[in-house]
Amino acid sequence: KAGVTQTPRYLIKTRGQQVTLSCSPISGHRSVSWYQQTPGQGLQFLFEYFSETQRNKGNFPGRFSGRQFSNSRSEMNVSTLELGDSALYLCASSPRIGDGTSHYEQYFGPGTRLTVT
Amino acid sequence: QKEVEQDPGPLSVPEGAIVSLNCTYSNSAFQYFMWYRQYSRKGPELLMYTYSSGNKEDGRFTAQVDKSSKYISLFIRDSQPSDSATYLCAIMGSSNTGKLIFGQGTTLQVKP
Repeated sequence: KAGVTQTPRYLIKTRGQQVTLSCSPISGHRSVSWYQQTPGQGLQFLFEYFSETQRNKGNFPGRFSGRQFSNSRSEMNVSTLELGDSALYLCASSPRIGDGTSHYEQYFGPGTRLTVT
Repeated sequence: QKEVEQDPGPLSVPEGAIVSLNCTYSNSAFQYFMWYRQYSRKGPELLMYTYSSGNKEDGRFTAQVDKSSKYISLFIRDSQPSDSATYLCAIMGSSNTGKLIFGQGTTLQVKP
């Protein structure tokens, strides 16, 4: 099975711009979670999507948003970029069981490294 | 106090040594425990997961959970230079959140 893919792998943006990152989960996986990784804060949970609905959200400002499509692919968007948004953005897919119970196995993609100048 | 605490290291050991990596957590309600390995410039790779106290073994890796002490460990036997990476513990509070809470990660170097 192909793993989780993320595009683009690298991105350089300017403060105030917005950015959209894309994630394709492992075939058959229906849950996608997004994380931000920085040297100072480590890996922090942004949000999770399942069946095109945001199920859980971390402690990030509203500038961070996402969506999931019917094929389980997901995008996350960051508006009005700040220097502090420079990070590795990781997407993880999980075979969430159909009854809504979350499966704790999460498989990560390679990440998108975002640099804000 | 962070929900999950992990010594960032770095930890340097000779090839063949037994490595012990540890995390503590604060919430006794946490149920699911994972270990990830992350190489430089790569995404985290799931190594092991467990949801009960006790040991779980997979090849050279053993994960140990002590819920009474809120302490989790990963042991690597016969360590190899290819094991050099950052090791992250992760915990999921309940089965329905989809949210993993990570430790800061321990950087391990195995010297030939």
